[in-house]
Amino acid sequence: GAVVSQHPSRVICKSGTSVKIECRSLDFQATTMFWYRQFPKQSLMLMATSNEGSKATYEQGVEKDKFLINHASLTLSTLTVTSAHPEDSSFYICSAGTFAGGNEQFFGPGTRLTVL
Amino acid sequence: RKEVEQDPGPFNVPEGATVAFNCTYSNSASQSFFWYRQDCRKEPKLLMSVYSSGNEDGRFTAQLNRASQYISLLIRDSKLSDSATYLCVVLGNEKLTFGTGTRLTIIP
Repeated sequence: GAVVSQHPSRVICKSGTSVKIECRSLDFQATTMFWYRQFPKQSLMLMATSNEGSKATYEQGVEKDKFLINHASLTLSTLTVTSAHPEDSSFYICSAGTFAGGNEQFFGPGTRLTVL
Repeated sequence: RKEVEQDPGPFNVPEGATVAFNCTYSNSASQSFFWYRQDCRKEPKLLMSVYSSGNEDGRFTAQLNRASQYISLLIRDSKLSDSATYLCVVLGNEKLTFGTGTRLTIIP
């Protein structure tokens, strides 16, 4: 299957700092990428849909000014958690793929964010 | 009501046993259905798609009942390596909605 990478895999930061997470599709072009968040023992929750060359579409309850998404190319989307607080500590996962054909989404390995 | 509901478990079953997971979804307009597997602190990985006619992949059998909005996964002859969380996933409006997952532990 296709490969999606994320960087960094783990980050620990102080409260108030901003953290950028990169999501790359390594062997295919992704016009759409998705950002999810998963708290312990909970399901993945879609935060936003990232569209190449246009603004991201955020899910209800997700602050677009806090979670900045940029999808500048067909292989790269970034999520910036601005002014992170301890309650933002979570597992952030991106995915890429299409819902045509096999309908498969390829997930990145995730980024574990801990805000102290 | 949650969009996708699963029994969170945990299911602790002996190696070699058969185990079944169930899932219900609320949106009757949902288009596609999947089972994903997620190991601890890892990303989810597609296990199999689910079709109304039922489909099988080795020891795994998935079934969809659109009328009841119900999805199932059966694992036969369970192996230690099957220990993981199994996520019921539904596609609708070009978005994936995940269940909370059912945790399975296979006991030697």
